[in-house]
Amino acid sequence: DTAVSQTPKYLVTQMGNDKSIKCEQNLGHDTMYWYKQDSKKFLKIMFSYNNKELIINETVPNRFSPKSPDKAHLNLHINSLELGDSAVYFCASSLGTYRLFYEQYFGPGTRLTVT
Amino acid sequence: GNSVTQMEGPVTLSEEAFLTINCTYTATGYPSLFWYVQYPGEGLQLLLKATKADDKGSNKGFEATYRKETTSFHLEKGSVQVSDSAVYFCALNAGNNRKLIWGLGTSLAVNP
Repeated sequence: DTAVSQTPKYLVTQMGNDKSIKCEQNLGHDTMYWYKQDSKKFLKIMFSYNNKELIINETVPNRFSPKSPDKAHLNLHINSLELGDSAVYFCASSLGTYRLFYEQYFGPGTRLTVT
Repeated sequence: GNSVTQMEGPVTLSEEAFLTINCTYTATGYPSLFWYVQYPGEGLQLLLKATKADDKGSNKGFEATYRKETTSFHLEKGSVQVSDSAVYFCALNAGNNRKLIWGLGTSLAVNP
């Protein structure tokens, strides 16, 4: 049983294109996240939703737009892709944003390559 | 503000060597502390955690003790294996900004 799944696993596209990444969790969690990991493994939080409400919106270009249709799904749409968007994007989920001791569960990642 | 500082990698060890990866933090209040591990080509997974001072988290032979007096949460393992080769991340949750604060990650390579 996959806990947090992402599609696609690999995404190769050209500059200027628009693409989406989808994430689903079957853990019954109410909070979901998008992270970007660069080639040096630096992990940066981008967005977080709690019960479909956007609660974390870090400083990212407005070409990135998250959308959470329900608690179990979180999608990321990227417009006008740039070379610098190449990275691994991770989805994660957790139970409750106010419980300090609840860990986050990560998906396998989507490796985005912009050429 | 809240922050996490990890020792820089890469760390290269021989099998059965002792491992320490240092992690220190700055936080207001009483944060929870975590170690996550990322194996090659995979997402991160929780390795261990501690939620209050003097707690010891342990899993898969790894241990870390929450030291409030030194604001540290160092990761240790007595005898590493090749399968422990991965990137290790220290993180804290202080609750005041609803997100985990991550260290930069420490890459570990264990040679047979």
